[in-house]
Amino acid sequence: GDSVTQMEGPVTLSEEAFLTINCTYTATGYPSLFWYVQYPGEGLQLLLKATKADDKGSNKGFEATYRKETTSFHLEKGSVQVSDSAVYFCAPGRGNKLTFGGGTRVLVKP
Amino acid sequence: DGGITQSPKYLFRKEGQNVTLSCEQNLNHDAMYWYRQDPGQGLRLIYYSQIVNDFQKGDIAEGYSVSREKKESFPLTVTSAQKNPTAFYLCASTYAASGAATDTQYFGPGTRLTVL
Repeated sequence: GDSVTQMEGPVTLSEEAFLTINCTYTATGYPSLFWYVQYPGEGLQLLLKATKADDKGSNKGFEATYRKETTSFHLEKGSVQVSDSAVYFCAPGRGNKLTFGGGTRVLVKP
Repeated sequence: DGGITQSPKYLFRKEGQNVTLSCEQNLNHDAMYWYRQDPGQGLRLIYYSQIVNDFQKGDIAEGYSVSREKKESFPLTVTSAQKNPTAFYLCASTYAASGAATDTQYFGPGTRLTVL
């Protein structure tokens, strides 16, 4: 089945720093790729997605590009805020099933 | 407002008791899912349903049961056979039951189950 590897964290940053969270996946064919975010004590929210190679998903200043050659979907944000503190999950999707990575905790300090 | 509701938010259970977690959606979504999340870990799929009166086991179905009698509702029962039930349980739904591309899954706020 599909699998995902993402950096475990925690990643601790200062406000306005650049954030990168690496995500690589193993899958047969070309899955859709998702990033979800989970704030403390809450469910997951879709952050962005890409459905085919070279697509770039973007939302709230976050971006990720579907790289078929490297089977990667790294998440980036140029200038983080304290409110970006959360756990971020990478997930390839096939049919209507998602495979979640272990999540990366991000802590942004003022 | 459309969305997914889960109740209760916190649930405590004594060992040996069955307990049912509620999940309701008013998004008119066809497919619904139950996940389990343990501290510091990702989500693992317990059961999913693509249509009323039909459901399939996920990766960790042992000790759990579900029903899908209505499109809007997908309750999860944690039975006494589940050896380590303390976890955060998340329900999700998606619009299309099948398709070439994966639709976005929308999540409820979760239920935290603690076995005493």
